[in-house]
Amino acid sequence: DAKTTQPNSMESNEEEPVHLPCNHSTISGTDYIHWYRQLPSQGPEYVIHGLTSNVNNRMASLAIAEDRKSSTLILHRATLRDAAVYYCILRSSWGSSYKLIFGSGTRLLVRP
Amino acid sequence: DTGVSQNPRHKITKRGQNVTFRCDPISEHNRLYWYRQTLGQGPEFLTYFQNEAQLEKSRLLSDRFSAERPKGSFSTLEIQRTEQGDSAMYLCASSFDREFGNTEAFFGQGTRLTVV
Repeated sequence: DAKTTQPNSMESNEEEPVHLPCNHSTISGTDYIHWYRQLPSQGPEYVIHGLTSNVNNRMASLAIAEDRKSSTLILHRATLRDAAVYYCILRSSWGSSYKLIFGSGTRLLVRP
Repeated sequence: DTGVSQNPRHKITKRGQNVTFRCDPISEHNRLYWYRQTLGQGPEFLTYFQNEAQLEKSRLLSDRFSAERPKGSFSTLEIQRTEQGDSAMYLCASSFDREFGNTEAFFGQGTRLTVV
């Protein structure tokens, strides 16, 4: 299973943008980049995913490097509710690699 | 549909007892996953069902663990002869099989097991 590397923790001020980096140098051409987050005492929650192009949805934006060896999750205006552990996960688009393999993630702290 | 439902939310059991957890996935979802999460760690994959077929089991799933998904609907995870090391949050997730790798999974809130 392909591996991702994320910082252990990051801090942000409320209402400021947050850029959460992820390195995945061993990514293959068929791997999608998925992001999930986990709020305290909750199960993980889907945030966004992409393959090659940048993606936007109501929660966040995903910026993917041209060589696909890194990506950045962007929260445009952090709120206190965004304090969570954010997981960057590679998921193959073929074969039986349907499961999500979680690393340790990045713990995001949001200061009021 | 209110999402993936797991019951019970909390379970305290004595070492050596058997426990069973239930997961009700989102109704049209054909894939169901079980994960285990210990404090400070990311969730670890345990097993996966496509409809009623159990297609993969992690090496973490010892002989004391068994999972079923009768008729491809709800699923149960049973732990026999519980040990203190089984104390963890057990998470269930479901997804709908569209194209591979492009599917988002929906997680329940988990069952927290404490073995005393």
